[in-house]
Amino acid sequence: AAGVIQSPRHLIKEKRETATLKCYPIPRHDTVYWYQQGPGQDPQFLISFYEKMQSDKGSIPDRFSAQQFSDYHSELNMSSLELGDSALYFCASSFVGVGNEKLFFGSGTQLSVL
Amino acid sequence: DAKTTQPTSMDCAEGRAANLPCNHSTISGNEYVYWYRQIHSQGPQYIIHGLKNNETNEMASLIITEDRKSSTLILPHATLRDTAVYYCIVNLGISSGSARQLTFGSGTQLTVLP
Repeated sequence: AAGVIQSPRHLIKEKRETATLKCYPIPRHDTVYWYQQGPGQDPQFLISFYEKMQSDKGSIPDRFSAQQFSDYHSELNMSSLELGDSALYFCASSFVGVGNEKLFFGSGTQLSVL
Repeated sequence: DAKTTQPTSMDCAEGRAANLPCNHSTISGNEYVYWYRQIHSQGPQYIIHGLKNNETNEMASLIITEDRKSSTLILPHATLRDTAVYYCIVNLGISSGSARQLTFGSGTQLTVLP
């Protein structure tokens, strides 16, 4: 079965550079979530999109932005990168129905800011 | 979302049942109990969820107390590959036409011992 695809798997950037992470949800899923997981920490919710509109916003820095495109894939854009942005970034997708939502997570993008 | 409390860590012998407890005393009547797990640095994986009744699937069983203030995830025959952080999450699920993110708290590190 198709899963959530994230690219790239690994990304190395310097401070103050920009980065773009991509997420391709499971086919027919209409909702995408972005999570950030720092070393030794639990996943923290950043932002979500439902039907290409921003749905919920968590602890996403103003330097970050995201969108969901017409084909439902999503991109997380990160500017003015800081050392503290080094983390695993997970994308998850789901199909919004009536209750009982399950999130399916991708393998993540490991971002290292040097 | 209601807060959950889980033990920080647990050990289990391979082949034995692993019973992971979770307290959610402030759960409201329409909130579900979800369980996810995260194997080291991989994306979180959905295990099971329930509202009131006990649930079982191919991965695990979920026992919810009658007052719904606590629950137990049961892995009937733990294997080494079940070593992971297990998260108990209380969530409204999603209502039609909207999305709802999961909030990960501090889970339980389950170590299955040979």
